[in-house]
Amino acid sequence: ILNVEQSPQSLHVQEGDSTNFTCSFPSSNFYALHWYRWETAKSPEALFVMTLNGDEKKKGRISATLNTKEGYSYLYIKGSQPEDSATYLCAFDAPNAGGTSYGKLTFGQGTILTVHP
Amino acid sequence: ETGVTQSPTHLIKTRGQQVTLRCSSQSGHNTVSWYQQALGQGPQFIFQYYREEENGRGNFPPRFSGLQFPNYSSELNVNALELDDSALYLCASSQNPTEYPTQETQYFGPGTRLLVL
Repeated sequence: ILNVEQSPQSLHVQEGDSTNFTCSFPSSNFYALHWYRWETAKSPEALFVMTLNGDEKKKGRISATLNTKEGYSYLYIKGSQPEDSATYLCAFDAPNAGGTSYGKLTFGQGTILTVHP
Repeated sequence: ETGVTQSPTHLIKTRGQQVTLRCSSQSGHNTVSWYQQALGQGPQFIFQYYREEENGRGNFPPRFSGLQFPNYSSELNVNALELDDSALYLCASSQNPTEYPTQETQYFGPGTRLLVL
């Protein structure tokens, strides 16, 4: 059974604070690590797909890093805004026999971020 | 928005009944995956459909079944409903990773919330 863990479970920050959360995953049999942002009553929104050890990706004020050797990824939000309030999910993606994505994502339980004005 | 739609948005059933949930994939996507999210947990993979056939299955009993149609839309059927089937059911559309190895992102619909009484 694959174990994908996210911490913390929830986080409350003030507007303007920078914050980060962690996703840990199996370091073997790795294909990709996905990050999603999920606002209440909406569809989960794809943020990043990270495949290479040492990858750093950025989208506006949000960035992510990946360490496949030790099995963790960090998501950073710089200068949090109330509209960043959401659940942030990471998902582990293993390779299929052909070496591409198996497509069966194993999700962590999510980090619930609340940004107070 | 992702372009992935699901119906209905909410559903109430009683134990022992059967339910059908529907998903329309994003234009150009040929693969649909279904996930179940129970309260307080991350989404769990149920199964994936590609070219109208099941293409991978998670740890769910056979009373969870699916279909994919020629237009790539999909249905999830659950027979003999149990109280524990109460959850949010998400579908995600994507390109098949064997055909498009760098297009791993899965795009999610808003989900169908099922309550079994």
